[in-house]
Amino acid sequence: GAGVSQSPSNKVTEKGKDVELRCDPISGHTALYWYRQRLGQGLEFLIYFQGNSAPDKSGLPSDRFSAERTGESVSTLTIQRTQQEDSAVYLCASSLVFSEAFFGQGTRLTVV
Amino acid sequence: AQSVTQPDIHITVSEGASLELRCNYSYGATPYLFWYVQSPGQGLQLLLKYFSGDTLVQGIKGFEAEFKRSQSSFNLRKPSVHWSDAAEYFCAVAPFSGGYNKLIFGAGTRLAVHP
Repeated sequence: GAGVSQSPSNKVTEKGKDVELRCDPISGHTALYWYRQRLGQGLEFLIYFQGNSAPDKSGLPSDRFSAERTGESVSTLTIQRTQQEDSAVYLCASSLVFSEAFFGQGTRLTVV
Repeated sequence: AQSVTQPDIHITVSEGASLELRCNYSYGATPYLFWYVQSPGQGLQLLLKYFSGDTLVQGIKGFEAEFKRSQSSFNLRKPSVHWSDAAEYFCAVAPFSGGYNKLIFGAGTRLAVHP
């Protein structure tokens, strides 16, 4: 596609359930990022994939959070045993090396 | 570790007035620098970027930013603000060292524009 695509756009889940968020980056982009944005807050770095290198997971807030990326394509962010504090917009971005990042529209996650 | 500071959480200006949003970074070398804008309910859009060369960069929507190495700053400016500029503005840095370009954002500055 022409841009970064995220699905679902909205997700409501019950506390304690697992959720999977999907990101389709721009074709050919080697770098992929996940960020969390709580209501009225800035972008909190979660994880960064670059090509075949080991991902930078330094921003994952707990072991309930994990992410995978298949080659240089789709990425999935998984949150296990969701908590109310996980409610946020999860943003995905992709980029070429030495270039700016392009963002998707985000997935709004609400944990009830 | 690299970090980005946007000292102003909220700024209010009158339409037609000039604007300057501040951004300071902490990094051992000169990183790549970006400004993004997030309008209400919208995704993030790149306004401008600095990689090297001329320290005054022009962006979209009439914005410009100036890189000052001595001050580790990359402030965003606009000579005359329009009501449609009301949004949240984020400064970001990436080291782009050895192909590693983890992008780190500041906390953002929320701009309100009075008619």
